[in-house]
Amino acid sequence: GAGVSQSPSNKVTEKGKDVELRCDPISGHTALYWYRQRLGQGLEFLIYFQGNSAPDKSGLPSDRFSAERTGESVSTLTIQRTQQEDSAVYLCASSPGTRDTQYFGPGTRLTVL
Amino acid sequence: QKEVEQDPGPLSVPEGAIVSLNCTYSNSAFQYFMWYRQYSRKGPELLMYTYSSGNKEDGRFTAQVDKSSKYISLFIRDSQPSDSATYLCAMSAPTGNQFYFGTGTSLTVIP
Repeated sequence: GAGVSQSPSNKVTEKGKDVELRCDPISGHTALYWYRQRLGQGLEFLIYFQGNSAPDKSGLPSDRFSAERTGESVSTLTIQRTQQEDSAVYLCASSPGTRDTQYFGPGTRLTVL
Repeated sequence: QKEVEQDPGPLSVPEGAIVSLNCTYSNSAFQYFMWYRQYSRKGPELLMYTYSSGNKEDGRFTAQVDKSSKYISLFIRDSQPSDSATYLCAMSAPTGNQFYFGTGTSLTVIP
């Protein structure tokens, strides 16, 4: 079956613009994670969705970042008023449940000029 | 202090060598330990998943967890050029939703 997909694969934007990143998880996976990976850095947790429970937003770095997920389907990560320090690869992962194996998408490479 | 520390390398070895990759951590509550492999411009893929202490072997890969020392290792035997990638350790506690990742170690296996 299909793995986790993310779109776009690359996004170049100007400072101050809003961007929206999309993640399609594996069908049936109730858990979905967003991570940020800066060059030479580890994965930084951003947000976690589990089924219809309230999301864990504790990793979002500022109020410019938000994410939504409808049920157990697609998720979007929105970054408003982008800054140059937002440049990174944004990775999405889904898993059958909490602390189960995470399956990662290929990531969206965001460049803010 | 970071939750997870990992030497970024880079590490370069000849084909056939045994590779040892390591991470240390500070949170004694961590119980779940993972190793991921990430090829350039790809998402990480899970290699090994270990619960609590001990060893786990899968083909050429062996994962070790030493909770008393807060130290985990991944050994790769008979390394191949296709093993050239960045290896990330990750861990989590029984409570909470977060996984904590190391910065990754870049490995090159030279034919």
